[in-house]
Formats: sequence, structure tokens, C-alpha cells
Amino acid sequence: DAKTTQPNSMESNEEEPVHLPCNHSTISGTDYIHWYRQLPSQGPEYVIHGLTSNVNNRMASLAIAEDRKSSTLILHRATLRDAAVYYCILSSISNFGNEKLTFGTGTRLTIIP
Amino acid sequence: DAGVIQSPRHEVTEMGQEVTLRCKPISGHDYLFWYRQTMMRGLELLIYFNNNVPIDDSGMPEDRFSAKMPNASFSTLKIQPSEPRDSAVYFCASSLGVLYNEQFFGPGTRLTVL
Repeated sequence: DAKTTQPNSMESNEEEPVHLPCNHSTISGTDYIHWYRQLPSQGPEYVIHGLTSNVNNRMASLAIAEDRKSSTLILHRATLRDAAVYYCILSSISNFGNEKLTFGTGTRLTIIP
Repeated sequence: DAGVIQSPRHEVTEMGQEVTLRCKPISGHDYLFWYRQTMMRGLELLIYFNNNVPIDDSGMPEDRFSAKMPNASFSTLKIQPSEPRDSAVYFCASSLGVLYNEQFFGPGTRLTVL
């Protein structure tokens, strides 16, 4: 399975944009890029996913490099509630025909009031 | 919908005892996943089901672990006998379809084996 590399931790000021990087240099043409986040004492929650084009939703934006070897999750205006561990995941198709998510260690985002 | 429901939220047991964790997926979701999270190994997929049938159990650590899904609204993960190294947070998740579908996670069960 292709792997992702993320910084262990990042800090950002409240109400400012946050750019969370992810490197995935061994990504294959069919791998989707997913982002999940895990708030303290909760299960992970879906943030966004994409294949080639940049994606926007109500939570965040996903910017994907043209060569797809890296991507950036953008939180446009961070709040204290955005403090969490953010996981960048490449989904792969298993031998059984379904998509599997392999979680890495993620980036712990701290928001400074 | 109430989301994915897991019970119990916390479980403390002694080594050698049987432990049963329970999960109710979101109604209408065809896929159910069991994950385990520890500080050392992070979040690992143990097993998943499609339409109540186990599809991939390659992540199940050993024979002490078993999972069942008797119907579309209920699944169990059983550990027998339990060991201290099984202490972890166990998450259940469900999703609608096969590919590129958002997984919805439950709140988890924190298991402590003494």
C-alpha cells in the first residue's frame, strides 16, 4: 500500500487559515486521497477526499498537486474546535474489491487562542 | 439517525476473562468495520463485513479474537481469553458502499485488561 508522510504536529492561531501538508510520493493512479480527523476522546470523522482535482466542502478544502505526490488540507478559519489529529490516507482496493483505509500517525493540530 | 452506537463505552476486566464489544451501525449501511487504536500501533483495521458477511479478517490479531454480524443492525467483537496487551480503544464504523464512501465511526469502547 502506498504510504503518506505528515508532520507530527502543527500549531496555528485561532481564526487564521491552516495548511496541513501530506506527502504521498508513491501514490498510484487509482488511489484516492482521504482526510479524517480525530477530536480528543472521539472516533475519527471524515473531512474530505479527492482524486485529482481540488475539492471544497463545508469543512475544508483539499488542494492536490498536479503530479499527485502531495496534497494540502486547508482549514480556512481555524477555531478551537478544530484542534485534533488529522490523518491523510490513501485508499487502496483490496483483493476483495473494496476500499481499505490505512491510518498513519497523523498530524496533531493545536489551535492557539 | 443516532449514528454508530457502541457498548459498553468502558470495560475493565481481568486477564483470562471473555470480553464482548457491541456495535449497531447506521441503518442502511452495508459495510461495518472494526478498528483498534493503541498508542504504539495507532488505528488498525481488524475486520470488516459486507451485508453481514465477513470479507477481510486479515487484521484480526489471533484466534482469541472473533467477530460476528448476525443481522444488519448488530455486530459483536469477542476476545476470549483476554490479555493485558488487548487493552485499547475499539472503534466500530459503518459506510454505505464499496468505494470512496465516508466511514462513520462510533465513540469507541475503551478496554482495560488487568
